[in-house]
Amino acid sequence: DGGITQSPKYLFRKEGQNVTLSCEQNLNHDAMYWYRQDPGQGLRLIYYSQIVNDFQKGDIAEGYSVSREKKESFPLTVTSAQKNPTAFYLCASSIHWTGDLAKNIQYFGAGTRLSVL
Amino acid sequence: SQQGEEDPQALSIQEGENATMNCSYKTSINNLQWYRQNSGRGLVHLILIRSNEREKHSGRLRVTLDTSKKSSSLLITASRAADTASYFCATDAQAGTALIFGKGTTLSVSS
Repeated sequence: DGGITQSPKYLFRKEGQNVTLSCEQNLNHDAMYWYRQDPGQGLRLIYYSQIVNDFQKGDIAEGYSVSREKKESFPLTVTSAQKNPTAFYLCASSIHWTGDLAKNIQYFGAGTRLSVL
Repeated sequence: SQQGEEDPQALSIQEGENATMNCSYKTSINNLQWYRQNSGRGLVHLILIRSNEREKHSGRLRVTLDTSKKSSSLLITASRAADTASYFCATDAQAGTALIFGKGTTLSVSS
């Protein structure tokens, strides 16, 4: 099956703990994204990566970190500096970061729901 | 920064009725997309309309775009209970930039 896999589905964080959310894609997409969704809200961009070994901050990057060592993988770490981490986290990918509009369609994983203990 | 604002925030209709939701945005766009999200799941792309297009159809979906009013509408005809979901518009201000999503319209279709 081709697609984006996020794990775990549910995650609990203790005070002062860093946690890592996994995102893997087998679509051979160049660009990957992390979004945060709060109840009744839209998606807010945390980080995005256009190619391997490169990533950019989005609108709400504070308290988060990412890496892009492989094309297939874009893990997100929620650090202890993120004081309000409870949210639904969505990972997405798109074919290529170019001016071709059709290639800006994003494909999403099923999400990880993070809660604080 | 959220660019799109969907209206209404929530919509309840009966099966067989049409559902119309609107999206307004603030700055010039390259294209506008509509996505659907079932409760607790990821988003699924529905349709993309380019800035030089005015209307687009896909099955029971009809999207219009009015760049002079900076607005778009999504019409779902002959709604089914399975259409119950949240619908989001997303725009990119420049080619190759990240999408900016609105807050969504929650559609409830009862049988």
